[in-house]
Amino acid sequence: DAGITQSPRHKVTETGTPVTLRCHQTENHRYMYWYRQDPGHGLRLIHYSYGVKDTDKGEVSDGYSVSRSKTEDFLLTLESATSSQTSVYFCATRVAGLATGNEQFFGPGTRLTVL
Amino acid sequence: RKEVEQDPGPFNVPEGATVAFNCTYSNSASQSFFWYRQDCRKEPKLLMSVYSSGNEDGRFTAQLNRASQYISLLIRDSKLSDSATYLCVVTPRALNAGGTSYGKLTFGQGTILTVHP
Repeated sequence: DAGITQSPRHKVTETGTPVTLRCHQTENHRYMYWYRQDPGHGLRLIHYSYGVKDTDKGEVSDGYSVSRSKTEDFLLTLESATSSQTSVYFCATRVAGLATGNEQFFGPGTRLTVL
Repeated sequence: RKEVEQDPGPFNVPEGATVAFNCTYSNSASQSFFWYRQDCRKEPKLLMSVYSSGNEDGRFTAQLNRASQYISLLIRDSKLSDSATYLCVVTPRALNAGGTSYGKLTFGQGTILTVHP
């Protein structure tokens, strides 16, 4: 398994507070992704990174920002948490190379509850 | 219409049964196709890629029909350990002039399988 950790694993916060989730990988994979998973929607891409300081939006990026200052770390920030952002957040990585056909490796997930 | 659609199930089958899952995708220019497996409260993991010619991995067989935009997964001789959610996953067409989609994946909602004794 790829060495991907996420922190925190569980978090409860209040509406309006900023929250930062961290994804750390030890595999030196170039690509990193943040997804959220909700019942009835499956996994949806929030933001992704194709290199240090290179990031772009996914399909559900509103209310989220990301940063990648090092290859191994990809941070997801909820600028002002809302109850609609209660979800399970997964980080994933992928080896650089062909744009298609490469497996994504997922971290264990972070369960976030916004009250 | 969702980009990737699956029957959410649940499918409840006895051990030893054969079960098939189907998935349709809306983007005819989709490039790559996968089945991921997700155990309860765990992360998704790649089960197998899906090739145009069809491919088999032990008890699992995947098929792709590009003309019908349809993917299937067949599990033979089901085991209790096969109980999980099976996610149909598609890589969209390239989105930039460089011809890369940056490996972005589009997931179906998943099909729940429960194998009972």
